[in-house]
Amino acid sequence: AQSVAQPEDQVNVAEGNPLTVKCTYSVSGNPYLFWYVQYPNRGLQFLLKYITGDNLVKGSYGFEAEFNKSQTSFHLKKPSALVSDSALYFCAVRGSGNTGKLIFGQGTTLQVKP
Amino acid sequence: EPEVTQTPSHQVTQMGQEVILRCVPISNHLYFYWYRQILGQKVEFLVSFYNNEISEKSEIFDDQFSVERPDGSNFTLKIRSTKLEDSAMYFCASSAVLAGPGANVLTFGAGSRLTVL
Repeated sequence: AQSVAQPEDQVNVAEGNPLTVKCTYSVSGNPYLFWYVQYPNRGLQFLLKYITGDNLVKGSYGFEAEFNKSQTSFHLKKPSALVSDSALYFCAVRGSGNTGKLIFGQGTTLQVKP
Repeated sequence: EPEVTQTPSHQVTQMGQEVILRCVPISNHLYFYWYRQILGQKVEFLVSFYNNEISEKSEIFDDQFSVERPDGSNFTLKIRSTKLEDSAMYFCASSAVLAGPGANVLTFGAGSRLTVL
C-alpha cells in the first residue's frame, strides 16, 4: 500500500536560515509525490509535486523538494526561511488505483523564529 | 483564482442528528473528494467521486456517510446519525485531471468544522 512518513512532528528554524522538512515514501510503482501547506483555520494549499523528470522540483513561495529514489525520500527545502512560512506541512503520495486520491503523512509543524 | 467553497464553516450538532456539509468544487473539475482531519491529527481520505458515483471509499466511510452531487455544481457529504467521534474538520477537494501536467493536484476548500455534542 502507498504511504508516506514524516519523521518530525516539529521543525524549528531561525528566520533567514535554510529549512528542511523530511518525508519518506513507500509505493508500488512510480511515485507521484506532493507537498501541501496548511495555515491555521485554512484548507490545504498545494506547494509542489513530483511525477517525473528532474529530481529537484521548484514550487510556490520559494520552496523546492528533492526526489531521491534510492533513499525513497522527498524532502521539502527552502534556502532562507521566513516567519510567514510557519505552518503545518503535509507530504502526500498518490494512492493506488485510479481515483486520484492522495494519502497524507501526519504533518510537520514548521516554526520559524525571528 | 478559482477556489473550492465549503459551507458551513462551523456546525455544532447534537449526537444522533443528521448533518449535511456542502461544497462547490471548481467548475471544470471532474474528480471530487472528502477528507477528514481530527484535531491535531493527519488528514484522512474518506471518499472519492467521479462521473456521479463513488469511485473509492475508505474504512471510515461507513453506512452513516453518503455523498451526492444533486445539481451538477454542489457536492455534499451527509452524516446520517452523528457520533461524538465524528467531530473533525471536513475538507472537500476537487481535481481536474488524473494524468498530464496537472495530474492529481487537488484543490482544497477551507473546511467545515463539525462539533458533535
